[in-house]
Amino acid sequence: GAGVSQTPSNKVTEKGKYVELRCDPISGHTALYWYRQSLGQGPEFLIYFQGTGAADDSGLPNDRFFAVRPEGSVSTLKIQRTERGDSAVYLCASSPNTDTQYFGPGTRLTVL
Amino acid sequence: AQKITQTQPGMFVQEKEAVTLDCTYDTSDQSYGLFWYKQPSSGEMIFLIYQGSYDEQNATEGRYSLNFQKARKSANLVISASQLGDSAMYFCAMRPNAGGTSYGKLTFGQGTILTVHP
Repeated sequence: GAGVSQTPSNKVTEKGKYVELRCDPISGHTALYWYRQSLGQGPEFLIYFQGTGAADDSGLPNDRFFAVRPEGSVSTLKIQRTERGDSAVYLCASSPNTDTQYFGPGTRLTVL
Repeated sequence: AQKITQTQPGMFVQEKEAVTLDCTYDTSDQSYGLFWYKQPSSGEMIFLIYQGSYDEQNATEGRYSLNFQKARKSANLVISASQLGDSAMYFCAMRPNAGGTSYGKLTFGQGTILTVHP
């Protein structure tokens, strides 16, 4: 079946702009996760949804970052007033309950 | 809190040989899961293998096996009969199981770049 998809694959924006990154999980997966991966590093947890609610948002770096999953399927990660330090690959993963997480291809965000 | 340490920034192996990628972890949780993921240059994280902390047998998946030594807090990945397509970054990760702190959240190591030579 279809895997996790993420759009766009690449996003270039200017400092101070607002961006939205979209994640489509595997159908039927109730849990959805966002991670951020900087160059040469392992992914770092941002936020985890179980259904529509954020079960753990302890990894969001500050209040410029926000994520939603209004219908328990697609999720959007929103970043306000982007900064150059936000440049990274943003990875989304989904799992049935909280079993093995399956990752999407990521969105590469570049803030100029 | 959980911590994963991968001490090998890079490893080289000859095609058809076996290779071991090291992973040590630290956690205060009693029940947890350990994972290995492969990340080729394309960027996608590919799940390879899972080991539960209470599993008595080491996990195996095809050419991948996990050498789990609970007392040493190590979870090394063994790849047998290496292939050119195994060249990639490999990440060890852990997650507390139900009832643990930060349930659901994966903590990753820094990764090991594996290069398979023909």
